[in-house]
Amino acid sequence: GAVVSQHPSRVICKSGTSVKIECRSLDFQATTMFWYRQFPKQSLMLMATSNEGSKATYEQGVEKDKFLINHASLTLSTLTVTSAHPEDSSFYICSARDGRGRGETQYFGPGTRLLVL
Amino acid sequence: GQQLNQSPQSMFIQEGEDVSMNCTSSSIFNTWLWYKQEPGEGPVLLIALYKAGELTSNGRLTAQFGITRKDSFLNISASIPSDVGIYFCAGRNSGNTPLVFGKGTRLSVIA
Repeated sequence: GAVVSQHPSRVICKSGTSVKIECRSLDFQATTMFWYRQFPKQSLMLMATSNEGSKATYEQGVEKDKFLINHASLTLSTLTVTSAHPEDSSFYICSARDGRGRGETQYFGPGTRLLVL
Repeated sequence: GQQLNQSPQSMFIQEGEDVSMNCTSSSIFNTWLWYKQEPGEGPVLLIALYKAGELTSNGRLTAQFGITRKDSFLNISASIPSDVGIYFCAGRNSGNTPLVFGKGTRLSVIA
């Protein structure tokens, strides 16, 4: 299958600072990437759809000014958590849509664990 | 948002036993995907299904796209300890819509 990388794998920051998470599709081009948030023992919650060269589409209840998404190339999307607070602590996972082959599928990165103190 | 009904929520089985889990939806999907997630990791794609009635295997795993296009199941044969994890189904009803995820089936294998 395709490979999606995510960096950093974990980050600890102070309240009020901003944190940037990178998501890369390593062996395919992804015009569409997705950012998810996952709380312990729960399913993945879609935050936003990141489209290369255009603005991200945010799900209801997700603050676009708080979670800035940039999809500047076909292999890179970034999520910046601005002015982070302890309630932003979570597991953030990106995913990239792969349209090769006989049907579209989606591959996930390894996730980024964010802890805001 | 919309979610799939995935069952069972959790399973405790003996090593060597077969496992079956399924997902149902109130709407039609044209893609079903099954993922496995281990603690602290992102979900890993196991099987992708694109056609109603399709039956696909990946080693000891077999998944089927229901003929009504509203359900899918995943079977694991002869389970082993490394099968432990959370299994998620996901579906999509058109190319431009995001995946809808089930709540997951937590599998525990007792050696």
